[in-house]
Amino acid sequence: EAGVTQSPTHLIKTRGQQATLRCSPISGHTSVYWYQQALGLGLQFLLWYDEGEERNRGNFPPRFSGRQFPNYSSELNVNALELEDSALYLCASSLKGVYTEAFFGQGTRLTVV
Amino acid sequence: SQQGEEDPQALSIQEGENATMNCSYKTSINNLQWYRQNSGRGLVHLILIRSNEREKHSGRLRVTLDTSKKSSSLLITASRAADTASYFCATANNAGNMLTFGGGTRLMVKP
Repeated sequence: EAGVTQSPTHLIKTRGQQATLRCSPISGHTSVYWYQQALGLGLQFLLWYDEGEERNRGNFPPRFSGRQFPNYSSELNVNALELEDSALYLCASSLKGVYTEAFFGQGTRLTVV
Repeated sequence: SQQGEEDPQALSIQEGENATMNCSYKTSINNLQWYRQNSGRGLVHLILIRSNEREKHSGRLRVTLDTSKKSSSLLITASRAADTASYFCATANNAGNMLTFGGGTRLMVKP
């Protein structure tokens, strides 16, 4: 069974540009989470989607947005990129929201120059 | 702010020794989960313990939960060099809409 897949693996953007990150959950999982992990730090909660709806978002500015498609895959968009947006962006999926374990992808390393 | 805070931030032990990591949290929870992360890659789920459980085992892993103290511990017995990684606790709130991670413990197991 395929795990959570994220693309691209690495992404280099210039300050002010937009970045789009993609995530495909495990088959059957309807919940998708996005986290930001700056170098050497913990995971900061960004967004949670379930059944196509945004269920919760973390303390991030509106230029961080996303969506979940009917097939439960998800996209994270970051507009007007800033240098401090450079981080590992992790996507995870679960079967029943936070009540079951989350399975993580390998992440997208975003570098803003 | 982080819901869970791990202690210690870093731990270095010899192969064969036991490693204990602690996690404290602030608000009531539905469950608490432990994850491992190798070299800044994706996280791997280790154990989920629900708020009405006090202890769970999985192989060489033992997790305890004390809801009165709002704390949990992860014990890795007979550690191996391959256990070298960062370990995170994550708490699921009762509203069921948030899974919050702590800052992690960096464990180094020396051969």
